[in-house]
Amino acid sequence: NAGVTQTPKFRVLKTGQSMTLLCAQDMNHEYMYWYRQDPGMGLRLIHYSVGEGTTAKGEVPDGYNVSRLKKQNFLLGLESAAPSQTSVYFCASSSGEGSETQYFGPGTRLLVL
Amino acid sequence: GQNIDQPTEMTATEGAIVQINCTYQTSGFNGLFWYQQHAGEAPTFLSYNVLDGLEEKGRFSSFLSRSKGYSYLLLKELQMKDSASYLCAVRDSDYKLSFGAGTTVTVRA
Repeated sequence: NAGVTQTPKFRVLKTGQSMTLLCAQDMNHEYMYWYRQDPGMGLRLIHYSVGEGTTAKGEVPDGYNVSRLKKQNFLLGLESAAPSQTSVYFCASSSGEGSETQYFGPGTRLLVL
Repeated sequence: GQNIDQPTEMTATEGAIVQINCTYQTSGFNGLFWYQQHAGEAPTFLSYNVLDGLEEKGRFSSFLSRSKGYSYLLLKELQMKDSASYLCAVRDSDYKLSFGAGTTVTVRA
């Protein structure tokens, strides 16, 4: 039982390049989330999904797209990276039930030059 | 949306007690979570409150007052390994979390 995994762990991009971050969970969770974490600002929700085939915008969705084609996977895409997207990205999943917490992946550090 | 405030930094001595306060303004409150995050790592779950009162879990306790929009996390018998960032997060009716900026706790010998 791996929990929540993220690939890659670290990436350097040039401005204008594109990339996809992959999140996978093996807990059969319905809800999945993508956050970014920047110094002094805490975790901010980019996009989330309440089930396979669904996606919704969070607090800071601009410049990102997501897809949830399979229940266990949630992909975050950057079509044209900008230096402002330099951040640490965390994926999380939860069952959404009662006191059930969100479980976080180990994070992806992205540097956009 | 949610507006969540917590202190930026706190310092305490090994063996002491520290209380981290969190205040929030919410639309659709559905629970409050506390997470611990060590530098370079992912947040990990500490506690959950949805009703008013105190929840105790070993050395950690969390309190909630919904009418005041207030919570605190109490860390007792501090250990060096407790040096970390502590995140307050409020869940809304859509099961989304809004996080405070985090409180960095430094434990000194």
